[in-house]
Amino acid sequence: AQSVTQPDIHITVSEGASLELRCNYSYGATPYLFWYVQSPGQGLQLLLKYFSGDTLVQGIKGFEAEFKRSQSSFNLRKPSVHWSDAAEYFCAVGARGEGGGNKLTFGTGTQLKVEL
Amino acid sequence: DSGVTQTPKHLITATGQRVTLRCSPRSGDLSVYWYQQSLDQGLQFLIQYYNGEERAKGNILERFSAQQFPDLHSELNLSSLELGDSALYFCASSSEVGTGELFFGEGSRLTVL
Repeated sequence: AQSVTQPDIHITVSEGASLELRCNYSYGATPYLFWYVQSPGQGLQLLLKYFSGDTLVQGIKGFEAEFKRSQSSFNLRKPSVHWSDAAEYFCAVGARGEGGGNKLTFGTGTQLKVEL
Repeated sequence: DSGVTQTPKHLITATGQRVTLRCSPRSGDLSVYWYQQSLDQGLQFLIQYYNGEERAKGNILERFSAQQFPDLHSELNLSSLELGDSALYFCASSSEVGTGELFFGEGSRLTVL
């Protein structure tokens, strides 16, 4: 069974500082990996995804993530954080299921606080 | 806007009652997923439907049931509600082809008193 670990429950960074959110996954084959962001009272918005090819993927809002198979990791990075990035971030691993679609297993999330 | 519509946005009810949550997927998406988000359990996959048929089941209680209709909208029925069922219930949809990302609605917040 697939699983995702996000070891940091809360992270606080200063505006303008760099950010790295950690994600480790467990999956038997090549995984589909995703990062989602959830602002208070909102649904989950896809930031970026990896399913094959280049291991460094670019997403929206200036985020990027790097897939490292040897470390079973898919860490999310941003070079300069903005106050509007304060939200909860979820890493997810997917397994292509029957009939198409993709059941995702989510990590427990990392709450990001940005200090001005 | 993800294109996934969920109603109602908020629902307050009493223990023992039954509620129905509704989801309209993105245009053209055949798969619908239901997730429950609570403080203690995080985001838990409940169930997936594909073109009207159940495809995958997760941590869904026997008191809960779902279905997907011919027009592809889906309903999640929660019965004999308990205090612990209070949570945010998300619906998501995806295409049968592509890279597998899910598109989430804004959720239905259920409060059981």
